[in-house]
Amino acid sequence: SQQGEEDPQALSIQEGENATMNCSYKTSINNLQWYRQNSGRGLVHLILIRSNEREKHSGRLRVTLDTSKKSSSLLITASRAADTASYFCATVKMDSSYKLIFGSGTRLLVRP
Amino acid sequence: GAGVSQSPSNKVTEKGKDVELRCDPISGHTALYWYRQSLGQGLEFLIYFQGNSAPDKSGLPSDRFSAERTGGSVSTLTIQRTQQEDSAVYLCASNIAGSTDTQYFGPGTRLTVL
Repeated sequence: SQQGEEDPQALSIQEGENATMNCSYKTSINNLQWYRQNSGRGLVHLILIRSNEREKHSGRLRVTLDTSKKSSSLLITASRAADTASYFCATVKMDSSYKLIFGSGTRLLVRP
Repeated sequence: GAGVSQSPSNKVTEKGKDVELRCDPISGHTALYWYRQSLGQGLEFLIYFQGNSAPDKSGLPSDRFSAERTGGSVSTLTIQRTQQEDSAVYLCASNIAGSTDTQYFGPGTRLTVL
């Protein structure tokens, strides 16, 4: 079963606006990662935040992690039409397992 | 170097037939993962190979599913007696064994069982 839940399931914004996606998880984690998927195929890694980190930036991306609430958010600033994709959070649990546990994803549409 | 490659890109098969899906990980990556993504869903872990250790098969949904990794490199996921519910995109990923960090994904194989 999947650990992560994401909201919203779908998000439609105008180019230039910011997009915020949220992810919740259930167990203690080693790290949380965000991936992007275009056209339902291969995933591209965006950013990783470790359990002892609270915020991380990469270009127009900002990720926050609140381990007390078991939640994370991904903010894309100044969105572009090319940001249209599905975004997934994935966690690595705090055990010897290395597998990623994915959320159900947020479908982002950025209108030109 | 080259990324993770998967073949075939698309596979259409009839119910009851067996299929083999191939994954070629990034050179030097000793960990290899298979995931499945059903239509409109998130990814579901299937199996994990780490070097010469016994694979973690905890995500395989039934005994019709099996996977092997020969020579610590290429992996084949086999689905026997395919069912319509097996229709999905099968994604392979690789990274350095023992790493909890980024996994590098291939483009996936879209399997359609008629």
